Amino acid sequence: DTGVSQDPRHKITKRGQNVTFRCDPISEHNRLYWYRQTLGQGPEFLTYFQNEAQLEKSRLLSDRFSAERPKGSFSTLEIQRTEQGDSAMYLCASSYTGGQAGYTFGSGTRLTVV
Amino acid sequence: QQQVKQSPQSLIVQKGGISIINCAYENTAFDYFPWYQQFPGKGPALLIAIRPDVSEKKEGRFTISFNKSAKQFSLHIMDSQPGDSATYFCAATPPGGYQKVTFGTGTKLQVIP
Repeated sequence: DTGVSQDPRHKITKRGQNVTFRCDPISEHNRLYWYRQTLGQGPEFLTYFQNEAQLEKSRLLSDRFSAERPKGSFSTLEIQRTEQGDSAMYLCASSYTGGQAGYTFGSGTRLTVV
Repeated sequence: QQQVKQSPQSLIVQKGGISIINCAYENTAFDYFPWYQQFPGKGPALLIAIRPDVSEKKEGRFTISFNKSAKQFSLHIMDSQPGDSATYFCAATPPGGYQKVTFGTGTKLQVIP
């Protein structure tokens, strides 16, 4: 297992286009999280899944954002009608239920909206 | 509402010196306080963590000091090395397992030879 994998690493898109990111968690981990990190800031929580169930969504996750985790394995985060304010690093992390070993983060997808 | 405040924003320390980063939290429901280290182009990685029933935790050159009454905690990096140059985030989680993590704004540490 090589850790949490995110694809693509970088994405440049024009304003108004839709984008989709993928996250493959560590296979034994049943929890998966999405965070957004802007330059000079700490990661901000977006949403998390336990298995295939989406258990919490942040107010940051507007109607243009949707996340799925079919079959409780990989997850996708889609942003519709992108805006320049969506430019950020989108981080995925995974963990065990109740595990106190902390998250394992992926290297993120850097989104630039032009 | 920023629930975890972190300072300083940036820090320059000589090799061999002590790096100190401070954090304060507001939500008394937080019950787990991890620190993360992030290198450019990488996701944050868990460095060390503490629970509020412990006043200090040490792992190698890294020590967390925790003051529950003041709602403050700090990271001390002893014998700082150039390889420690990174951005450090304090964080806090609510009870019930590792769910939503609230991060501080980060401290960019530069260790100069």
